Amino acid sequence: KNQVEQSPQSLIILEGKNCTLQCNYTVSPFSNLRWYKQDTGRGPVSLTIMTFSENTKSNGRYTATLDADTKQSSLHITASQLSDSASYICVVIAMDTGRRALTFGSGTRLQVQP
Amino acid sequence: NAGVTQTPKFRVLKTGQSMTLLCAQDMNHEYMYWYRQDPGMGLRLIHYSVGEGTTAKGEVPDGYNVSRLKKQNFLLGLESAAPSQTSVYFCASSYLGTDTDTQYFGPGTRLTVL
Repeated sequence: KNQVEQSPQSLIILEGKNCTLQCNYTVSPFSNLRWYKQDTGRGPVSLTIMTFSENTKSNGRYTATLDADTKQSSLHITASQLSDSASYICVVIAMDTGRRALTFGSGTRLQVQP
Repeated sequence: NAGVTQTPKFRVLKTGQSMTLLCAQDMNHEYMYWYRQDPGMGLRLIHYSVGEGTTAKGEVPDGYNVSRLKKQNFLLGLESAAPSQTSVYFCASSYLGTDTDTQYFGPGTRLTVL
């Protein structure tokens, strides 16, 4: 069964600090991996997407890495801001016989404090 | 350009009641999806549609029905609500169903079944 595990479940950091969120997956056949940001009371918004051949992708202060051999991804947030407080969801996409299947992690809830 | 909108934002039902959740998108997307999000779990796909007039079952379809009579609208129905259907429901849409295609999410509907 395809699974996506994220850690930690929740995290509190001070404004201006960096943090790293982890995502481990067992999804086959792997196509690509996305990180989404979900603000409280809102729907998820895509931050980055990485295919099998990519091992790093940046979007402003967000940098995602992918190790397809160990089936791990991380999302690094640099110089955190209060607006970074949200849940971050790792999504792994499998593509099998032309049909796409998404497996969502349960998310890491990040709280940035002043 | 409103993106993906959902109606209503909140709803409380009694067990056995029925209701319909409406999703609308103005991006001319072919694909539309209904997910549910429960605490401690990743989003799970209920039903999806690959085009006007077509629907298909997702991961957790039992107790739900859907219709896509117009390309821009995707309706999710609960015929006889149960407490287990208490959840936050998200609609999403995408232009294509390819592996790298981005899904755009609505703001969600919080449903409580008493």
